[in-house]
Amino acid sequence: QAQLVQSGSEVKKPGASVNVSCKASGYTFASYGINWVRQAPGQGLEWMGWISTYKGDKDYGQNFQGRVTMTTDTSTSIVYMELRSLRSDDTAVYYCARDGDTPGGMDVWGHGTTVIVSS
Amino acid sequence: QSALTQPRSVSESPGQSVTISCTGTISDVGGYNYVSWYQQHPGKAPKLIIFDVSKRPSGVPDRFSGSKSGNTASLTISGLQAEDEADYYCCSYAGTSVFGSGTKVTVV
Repeated sequence: QAQLVQSGSEVKKPGASVNVSCKASGYTFASYGINWVRQAPGQGLEWMGWISTYKGDKDYGQNFQGRVTMTTDTSTSIVYMELRSLRSDDTAVYYCARDGDTPGGMDVWGHGTTVIVSS
Repeated sequence: QSALTQPRSVSESPGQSVTISCTGTISDVGGYNYVSWYQQHPGKAPKLIIFDVSKRPSGVPDRFSGSKSGNTASLTISGLQAEDEADYYCCSYAGTSVFGSGTKVTVV
């Protein structure tokens, strides 16, 4: 069955960068794009962006323009999300989620990666 | 892009129905039929329960239904069960995606 496995928790200092990975299995990797969604403690879901695993096209959310980079490695079926210039309010659980057969319908989710930003 | 507006919380007794609204604009909810809904239990990843406004993925009970009128989408849960107690988020795709603010459903 389709599955997304994410990298482990991270603790970073303000100003640093974090790189979170998302490894896909159980389906044809290049057939579905990947979204990144984050959730701060006690808060709602926030869409960060999307990357095509076929062509590498990307769309980033306005709140993350200039600070986020999403990349894809088709040889390993892994998608990466790098967030730079970390601030304390970037502390959150970061999820990758597969775009299903319809745009925006995120049908398979990773388990989440906790990123804590603290001095 | 501002978050879509959802009620903060709703509560109802087992067996009853609840409807959660999700209000956007003509630029998102009103302009496209790409509204999805997600259920999230505490400490868990979200789960897709409705896509394309009203379609259910395989395995999602037909107690969950979606609709849209103008700039407002709605999720209705009929025959509430204890396990439906969770947070629910709408999401609209319009080139980019935006989530709703989230609604906590309590089964009292």
